[in-house]
Amino acid sequence: EVQLVQSGAEVKKPGESLKISCKGSGYSFTTYWIGWVRQRPGEGLEWMGNIYPGDSDTKYSPSFQGQVTISADKSINTAYLQWSSLKASDTAMYYCARLSGGFPHYFEHWGQGTLVTVSS
Amino acid sequence: DIQMTQSPSSLSASVGDRVTITCRAGQSISTFLGWYQQRPGKAPNLLIYTASSLQSGLPSRFSGSGSGTDFTLTISNLQPEDSATYYCQQSHSTLLTFGGGTKVEIK
Repeated sequence: EVQLVQSGAEVKKPGESLKISCKGSGYSFTTYWIGWVRQRPGEGLEWMGNIYPGDSDTKYSPSFQGQVTISADKSINTAYLQWSSLKASDTAMYYCARLSGGFPHYFEHWGQGTLVTVSS
Repeated sequence: DIQMTQSPSSLSASVGDRVTITCRAGQSISTFLGWYQQRPGKAPNLLIYTASSLQSGLPSRFSGSGSGTDFTLTISNLQPEDSATYYCQQSHSTLLTFGGGTKVEIK
């Protein structure tokens, strides 16, 4: 069974750094893209970017390029999303999802989400 | 980016009704479109891919159609558990985009 387990909720102050994780199991971690999706409170879904853990090829939405870093450690089947300096506007639920094999890409399996709260 | 516009933003319908949600792409995306259901407090769930293919194990009352720029998701025989927000997502471009969502409420 494909599973994506995300790290727990975080409460941070503006300006702090953060790295959240997404551990995949039940499939070949290196051969499927993993994506990150933001959902601000009461709002819709926003695609942030994808990573291919096999070679760490990464694609970012123009809206998030330079604002976050997506990475992966294939030795422990884990993808990451990180910020160097959080803002209050980063307060949101963040989901990782495994994309379908090949092209086109759909978000086939989702993690449970990680709630990030940024407040002074 | 390819813009995806959904309508309506919300609707209210009764159990047993037929409901249609539309999604329009800013440019032709062939049939590279998916639909997701998100129940309150839960992660989204893929319903339909490639515009009209139903994800395995899901009820056949969900169907999708369309190509090019105009797509529809139809829920026939609406059930209480269908109360959720529905999103479309294009996969024509490697820069993926979602529609703004349609909230379906049961009267």
